[in-house]
Amino acid sequence: GAVVSQHPSWVICKSGTSVKIECRSLDFQATTMFWYRQFPKQSLMLMATSNEGSKATYEQGVEKDKFLINHASLTLSTLTVTSAHPEDSSFYICSARSFGGANFYEQYFGPGTRLTVT
Amino acid sequence: DAKTTQPPSMDCAEGRAANLPCNHSTISGNEYVYWYRQIHSQGPQYIIHGLKNNETNEMASLIITEDRKSSTLILPHATLRDTAVYYCIVSFPGGYQKVTFGTGTKLQVIP
Repeated sequence: GAVVSQHPSWVICKSGTSVKIECRSLDFQATTMFWYRQFPKQSLMLMATSNEGSKATYEQGVEKDKFLINHASLTLSTLTVTSAHPEDSSFYICSARSFGGANFYEQYFGPGTRLTVT
Repeated sequence: DAKTTQPPSMDCAEGRAANLPCNHSTISGNEYVYWYRQIHSQGPQYIIHGLKNNETNEMASLIITEDRKSSTLILPHATLRDTAVYYCIVSFPGGYQKVTFGTGTKLQVIP
């Protein structure tokens, strides 16, 4: 149980285009989903927190107009990287907190999406 | 949240126990110690957590010192598949808390 999927697993796009990444909780409902970014040989950095049906909360320094997050249902959140540039190339990871999950560790991570912008 | 300090890297021979230390000297009384790991190019995986008593599950053991200022994650019989970055996180236990990752320890299991 508690499986989170991401699609696509990797994507290559040209500079200036937009890319959408999906995060799905497959066997549980997730009221809250998180998006992380990880550059090579660095740790995961939290980008934003999204709650189903409301606007995402972005961490300091993350451009909300560049990284559009939509959490339209209890099983799906999307991250759209708009007007992508090579510096946006990174490993993007989502996680989902199970509905009613009262414990810190009840947050499950997806396998990640490798974005390369050429 | 209290900060943690971990060595950047460690090696361990396959089949031997891997002992990964973590310092968390500013931990508060109600904060737990959590361990996650991230295998290369995958999402993080929860391993174990504890408050003050030693804990064991099917993946690992967690030893927390009596003063709670440090802890050790023990993988009793390391395999090549245990090669990963291991993160020690200190947090209050509520589900509303954000998971904030530090730099972690890169464990290399050597054949």
